[in-house]
Amino acid sequence: ETGVTQSPTHLIKTRGQQVTLRCSSQSGHNTVSWYQQALGQGPQFIFQYYREEENGRGNFPPRFSGLQFPNYSSELNVNALELDDSALYLCASSPSRVTGANVLTFGAGSRLTVL
Amino acid sequence: SQQGEEDPQALSIQEGENATMNCSYKTSINNLQWYRQNSGRGLVHLILIRSNEREKHSGRLRVTLDTSKKSSSLLITASRAADTASYFCATEPAGANSKLTFGKGITLSVRP
Repeated sequence: ETGVTQSPTHLIKTRGQQVTLRCSSQSGHNTVSWYQQALGQGPQFIFQYYREEENGRGNFPPRFSGLQFPNYSSELNVNALELDDSALYLCASSPSRVTGANVLTFGAGSRLTVL
Repeated sequence: SQQGEEDPQALSIQEGENATMNCSYKTSINNLQWYRQNSGRGLVHLILIRSNEREKHSGRLRVTLDTSKKSSSLLITASRAADTASYFCATEPAGANSKLTFGKGITLSVRP
């Protein structure tokens, strides 16, 4: 069984640019969540996708958007990059809901630096 | 916003000693989970405890949950140098379906 894979692993952008991060979910998982982790902080929930639809969103502005594809892979897009967007972006997948007991499988993350 | 708050923020112990980490949270939860992260890479799930459970064990890990105090503790027994990592508690708020809220984490250093 393959785990969660993310690409790219590292990237550098400048303010105002746009970025797309990609994630392949673990086999058998149909739910994908994205988290932002700033240096020295815990991950913060950006949004979740289930069956290709956004299924919950954290406190992030609309310039953070996403997609989920029929094979359950996902993209995170960030427009008009700001310096504070520099962070590790983590993708996590989880299986169909088991009440009160969903465990997330995380990818290794994409480290974004905005200059 | 980060619901969970872990303490201490950093912990340094000798190999073979036990490590105890605490977590407090604010809202009603479905479950509480602990994750481990090595050097800014992806998080790895360690253990999950449901809101109707009080204690769970997994290998050298023991987690307790007190919903009346909205707190949890993670005990790692007989620590090893390889346990050196950051540890995060994460809560699944009631009705939030896998949308976990993480704390800021605890940095554990185990000296050989």
